[in-house]
Amino acid sequence: EPEVTQTPSHQVTQMGQEVILRCVPISNHLYFYWYRQILGQKVEFLVSFYNNEISEKSEIFDDQFSVERPDGSNFTLKIRSTKLEDSAMYFCASGRQGAVEAFFGQGTRLTVV
Amino acid sequence: AQSVTQLDSQVPVFEEAPVELRCNYSSSVSVYLFWYVQYPNQGLQLLLKYLSGSTLVKGINGFEAEFNKSQTSFHLRKPSVHISDTAEYFCAVSPNTGGFKTIFGAGTRLFVKA
Repeated sequence: EPEVTQTPSHQVTQMGQEVILRCVPISNHLYFYWYRQILGQKVEFLVSFYNNEISEKSEIFDDQFSVERPDGSNFTLKIRSTKLEDSAMYFCASGRQGAVEAFFGQGTRLTVV
Repeated sequence: AQSVTQLDSQVPVFEEAPVELRCNYSSSVSVYLFWYVQYPNQGLQLLLKYLSGSTLVKGINGFEAEFNKSQTSFHLRKPSVHISDTAEYFCAVSPNTGGFKTIFGAGTRLFVKA
């Protein structure tokens, strides 16, 4: 069964460093999303991406964040200068045209030290 | 805008007992409703979804949920839980106007005791 794949599963980075989280969505999906879950808190929407552009973003998704689909298969989330409060689980999700739900990856746990 | 309220942050229950995890939502537009499960150190897995039609929906692992439009609720139930059901359960909604932006509740930790 096709699935959304995220790498790495766990990343530790120093405060102020740039980090790129990678996702391979399901191949025929056209809608892509990033969510985050701070430890012990709810899953929060960050950004949605469709037709090679951001379609919606939350207030969390400030100038420190960016997304890119550099080729036909990857979808990345970049955090330019990480802060301690960026420590969280980051989930990628994708959805296909005409469907009603998104499929989530296993997540990348980002730890900023 | 949409919001989801999960009324219990933690639900302890003995093995083989029934359980209900409560969820209420608010939305200015029609929504699809979902329950996701997150096992320790794992990602989100879809348990079940309500799109339209019958208000009782069945999902994986013996779970079911009932949509109640008048009460804007979507409670999750299982008649007999197992130790392996110990996990975090998230209720979620997505507007049916297109796209897949999903709004999650805060989660309910189900703890099944032997």
